[in-house]
Order: sequence, then structure tokens, then C-alpha cells
Amino acid sequence: KAGVTQTPRYLIKTRGQQVTLSCSPISGHRSVSWYQQTPGQGLQFLFEYFSETQRNKGNFPGRFSGRQFSNSRSEMNVSTLELGDSALYLCASSPGTANQPQHFGDGTRLSIL
Amino acid sequence: GQQVMQIPQYQHVQEGEDFTTYCNSSTTLSNIQWYKQRPGGHPVFLIQLVKSGEVKKQKRLTFQFGEAKKNSSLHITATQTTDVGTYFCAGRPGGGNKLTFGTGTQLKVEL
Repeated sequence: KAGVTQTPRYLIKTRGQQVTLSCSPISGHRSVSWYQQTPGQGLQFLFEYFSETQRNKGNFPGRFSGRQFSNSRSEMNVSTLELGDSALYLCASSPGTANQPQHFGDGTRLSIL
Repeated sequence: GQQVMQIPQYQHVQEGEDFTTYCNSSTTLSNIQWYKQRPGGHPVFLIQLVKSGEVKKQKRLTFQFGEAKKNSSLHITATQTTDVGTYFCAGRPGGGNKLTFGTGTQLKVEL
């Protein structure tokens, strides 16, 4: 089985721009979660999508949004980028039933100049 | 704020020494998962514990879930250089649906 695929791997943007990150889950997985990882804050949960619906949401501002398509692929969008948004954004998929392990992609490294 | 804390934040050991990381939650966890992230890599699932007081072993790794289901530990016997990485616990505090990751313990193993 192919693993979780995230694109792009690296991205450089400037303040005020917006960005869209993509995540293709493992085949058959219906849940996709997004995390932000920074050295200072660790792994912070952004949101989880299941069957095209946002099922859980973390404590991030409205500039962070996401969506999931019928094939379970997910996108995350960040608008009006700030310097503090520089981070590794990780996507994880799971079958979607309770207490299943998360399978992570390699992440997108976003740098804001 | 962060509801799942891990200590220590960093640990340097000599190869062959033992290592333990502790995970503590302010509220009860329905279960606890452990992940390992190698430098430059992504978190990889290691194990899940569900029952109060549960102990599971994977070769040199021993995982324990506390009786009150608020804490957990990962113990590595006789560390090797392949054990290098950051170890995260993760759980759903208060029985909620959000998977909250601990702050992580970064392990470095020196020859």
C-alpha cells in the first residue's frame, strides 16, 4: 500500500500570501488530520476531516482552513501568512474508526520570509 | 494549553544505557499511543495501550499505562544508536475526540 503523500515537500512564501497544501491518504482511509510542528510548540492539532466533514478542530485562527474531497484527499489552506506560520505541516490518515493509529506523511516544510 | 506533558524534554545517553520517558495528562485518557520520529522524518506509530495498568513489550521497549489512565511511560533497555529520535505519547484527554500529542522527549545516543 502506498503511504500518505503530501505535496509540495517544501514551500517558501512571503508574509500576506496564502498557501494550499495537499494530502493524499492511504487507500481506504477516510480520516485525515493535519498537524503543525514547530520546535517551540511541538505537534499541534489543526483539524480532522472524515467523509468530507470537519470532525474536530484545534485552537488555530480562522486563517487556517481545510477541506476533504470525496476521494478522501484533503487540502489545507492558510491565508494572510505570518512569520509565525513557518513550520512543518504534517498530515496523518487513519481508517476513521475510534482509536486507530495515525499514519503520517513526510510533511510540507513551509517557510515564510 | 498543552494538556499532555512529557519529561524529560531531552536525554543524552551512552549506548547501552537505559532510557525512560514519562507522559502525564491532566485528565483521564481513554487510551495512549506512542510514536517515534527520527531526525528529519515523520512520526511513526509504535503501540497503543488501552487498559488501566497495561504493560506491553516490543523487544527492548516496554510501555506502561498507569492505573489511573493519566500517565504512561516508555522504557528502552540497553539503548542503541538506532533508538535516536523524538518519542511522543498521544491521547484523547477527558475522553474527547481530539488526539493530543505530548511535548515529546528527544533522545540522543552517543557511542
